[in-house]
Amino acid sequence: KNEVEQSPQNLTAQEGEFITINCSYSVGISALHWLQQHPGGGIVSLFMLSSGKKKHGRLIATINIQEKHSSLHITASHPRDSAVYICARHLSGATNKLIFGTGTLLAVQP
Amino acid sequence: SQTIHQWPATLVQPVGSPLSLECTVEGTSNPNLYWYRQAAGRGLQLLFYSVGIGQISSEVPQNLSASRPQDRQFILSSKKLLLSDSGFYLCAWITDNPNYGYTFGSGTRLTVV
Repeated sequence: KNEVEQSPQNLTAQEGEFITINCSYSVGISALHWLQQHPGGGIVSLFMLSSGKKKHGRLIATINIQEKHSSLHITASHPRDSAVYICARHLSGATNKLIFGTGTLLAVQP
Repeated sequence: SQTIHQWPATLVQPVGSPLSLECTVEGTSNPNLYWYRQAAGRGLQLLFYSVGIGQISSEVPQNLSASRPQDRQFILSSKKLLLSDSGFYLCAWITDNPNYGYTFGSGTRLTVV
């Protein structure tokens, strides 16, 4: 069982829809990352959060530390939002490594 | 500005051939550097990390090795590639940006044939 679970694995939406991607993790963290991977493969960091909520443009990320759960929301979705969205937990320490979920493939249709 | 460069972007190599992927960062000193691999249909997995010159830690046993000859240079190598080494390789480093934390290179898609 992966330490970081995402749902859904695949998501198809119509342009303009409100989208939610969920992430659950099984152990304590120092921070939770949301990343975006486009078809070419490059990965872009969207958010790093350890509590509460962060917003950037049409993207909103929330986290509930007690429930070990985070969500990524996209408002007014657009075809250019189509990508794989990955959450990863970050545990501070000697490694500072990330443990990744397997990603959610989002397709926004016009 | 702080940036990370990774090359090549795409590589097709025969089984048994050597490999060298390079990653360099700019705009920082003494960064923590990481090599991750994404196999087909799987999540990213940490291969190596380095906290300083000549300091390499391996997360999983494998056919690959890493080196850090300079502060801002991180190299992933293999003497003889296997088919199972195919995948998408990403270099990353931890930044001081409290909003993002990690910055990733553009990745190398390696196909071993």
